[in-house]
Amino acid sequence: EDQVTQSPEALRLQEGESSSLNCSYTVSGLRGLFWYRQDPGKGPEFLFTLYSAGEEKEKERLKATLTKKESFLHITAPKPEDSATYLCAVQPSYGGATNKLIFGTGTLLAVQP
Amino acid sequence: DAGVIQSPRHEVTEMGQEVTLRCKPISGHNSLFWYRQTMMRGLELLIYFNNNVPIDDSGMPEDRFSAKMPNASFSTLKIQPSEPRDSAVYFCASSLASGANYEQYFGPGTRLTVT
Repeated sequence: EDQVTQSPEALRLQEGESSSLNCSYTVSGLRGLFWYRQDPGKGPEFLFTLYSAGEEKEKERLKATLTKKESFLHITAPKPEDSATYLCAVQPSYGGATNKLIFGTGTLLAVQP
Repeated sequence: DAGVIQSPRHEVTEMGQEVTLRCKPISGHNSLFWYRQTMMRGLELLIYFNNNVPIDDSGMPEDRFSAKMPNASFSTLKIQPSEPRDSAVYFCASSLASGANYEQYFGPGTRLTVT
């Protein structure tokens, strides 16, 4: 069964304290892995797509990396405005085109000033 | 672009009533998704459409739930009759599925409370 597991469930950091969020997955063929940010009361906001092991993408203080079994979202010198829930999702490849995404339950990040 | 538009933003109804949620996808997108989010189960895909055609409705919890997409710019998710366990935030998302680009863009959601 296709599955996405995120850890930790919650993370509290001091401003400037770098850390990483983990997303491990089990899927029958990976077409892509997606990271989203969700603020309270809003819909998830797209951040990155990774397609192959070894790929990295960066956006401001965030960097996403991908291996064959997991992805990391590295947060460098976070600021309070980085506080949000970060969601990971995988797009399986069932031998044909599918747009379906399977989401993890997210990591709730709180950055204190 | 205005992004994905959902209405209503909040809905409070009594058990047994019919509820209709509405979604307008981003113009030009060819795929539309309905999700439900709860604290217990996270974000769950209910159904998705490609070019207005339902492709996968395996996530629809039961026959009380139905979804339609009569044209490229409008979709509805209907619950009839509603039950308290249907209380959740319902999101609509759209994407332009082409080549290697499958990222989905979400609307602001509809918070449904069934009493």
